[in-house]
Amino acid sequence: NAGVTQTPKFRILKIGQSMTLQCTQDMNHNYMYWYRQDPGMGLKLIYYSVGAGITDKGEVPNGYNVSRSTTEDFPLRLELAAPSQTSVYFCASSYGLANDNEQFFGPGTRLTVL
Amino acid sequence: RKEVEQDPGPFNVPEGATVAFNCTYSNSASQSFFWYRQDCRKEPKLLMSVYSSGNEDGRFTAQLNRASQYISLLIRDSKLSDSATYLCVVMGNTDKLIFGTGTRLQVFP
Repeated sequence: NAGVTQTPKFRILKIGQSMTLQCTQDMNHNYMYWYRQDPGMGLKLIYYSVGAGITDKGEVPNGYNVSRSTTEDFPLRLELAAPSQTSVYFCASSYGLANDNEQFFGPGTRLTVL
Repeated sequence: RKEVEQDPGPFNVPEGATVAFNCTYSNSASQSFFWYRQDCRKEPKLLMSVYSSGNEDGRFTAQLNRASQYISLLIRDSKLSDSATYLCVVMGNTDKLIFGTGTRLQVFP
């Protein structure tokens, strides 16, 4: 099992550009999440999904969009990149609810917006 | 007030030392509690869940005090490989995890 994989590992964007961060898991997990981690800050939940076709906003969804067409994939879309979106983005997955199930994280995507 | 608060450290301790981290949370309705470990420039990984009765996993002991709303992690006989950031994580009544900013531990020879 590869677990949770993310691409790309690094990316530099110009203000106003768009990009999609890819996330795939091969553990047949129902739940998937996107977090961002800024320096010296805790992880903040951007969006999450409890199954294919179902997505919901987390704590900091503005400026992002997601889709969940399959169980395996949960891409995160940035439409108009802004410097405030410079961060490390982690995708995670879990079999079920957070209280009973470990969240497995991908290796992260380091994004810089200039 | 932050939902989950931790002392950022760093805690610099020699090998073999015992070190303890505390974490406080603001939502008294919080249901589940965890410690995650994050190595430099890596993803977080679950270290252990925290149960009301306290629990131990090898050199690591986690405790929960619901009345005072704090969680602790004790590491005995510290190893160089324990150097990392330890994230206190709380699940409130919304089934979402709230992460603390982390406490950095540096173990030196």
